[in-house]
Amino acid sequence: ENVLTQSPGTLSLSPGERATLSCRASQSVTGSYLAWYQQKPGQAPRLLMYHASSRATGIPDRFSGSGSGTDFTLTISRLEPEDFAVYYCQQYGSSPATFGQGTKVEIK
Amino acid sequence: EVQLVQSGVEVKKPGESLKISCKASGYNFSPYWIGWVRQMPGKGLEWMGIIYPGDSDTRYSPSFQGQVTISADKSTSTAYLQWSSLKASDTAMYYCARRAGAYWYFDLWGRGTLVIVSS
Repeated sequence: ENVLTQSPGTLSLSPGERATLSCRASQSVTGSYLAWYQQKPGQAPRLLMYHASSRATGIPDRFSGSGSGTDFTLTISRLEPEDFAVYYCQQYGSSPATFGQGTKVEIK
Repeated sequence: EVQLVQSGVEVKKPGESLKISCKASGYNFSPYWIGWVRQMPGKGLEWMGIIYPGDSDTRYSPSFQGQVTISADKSTSTAYLQWSSLKASDTAMYYCARRAGAYWYFDLWGRGTLVIVSS
């Protein structure tokens, strides 16, 4: 299976700062079929991005995704208070679909 | 409103059986795959398996094959996840989620069902 490794494990930043999250795959992700989800405490995950760089419905444009092959990035241009959460990447280019272990974005 | 409504908290003993549910509303249930995702306490997300309610075609992640059974009932727009003999290690939050059309990511999630297995 395609193993996804996210880094860093925790990102400590202040509101207004830029966040850069990495997701590295053990094998090339077919079609750049990679999604990003946000999960806040006590809540279900929420889809942010799909196909590596397409924003899901209702997602603000401060969120952007990029990458191809084995290296992908989620960028939050200016952190808002509601953006502090855990972020997961998921590849769906090969079976079984797999998730990364998550990156926690916390308030510094 | 388009949503997935999951059944409530379950507290079970090791060896017991369990079936949890995920009821879809606000959209046509049959043409959308429904998947199940496990989240153990304090841990990340794990893709368990997925079912196409239209014909009950079911796929399992190798890690969960033989450990759980996924099913669906088109007449009630409900998907199920079941265990025949629970273990303490099955303690987790279980989410159902709708596959987004032709691609294997999830665009709609239920709120989760907490399963606690303890003697």
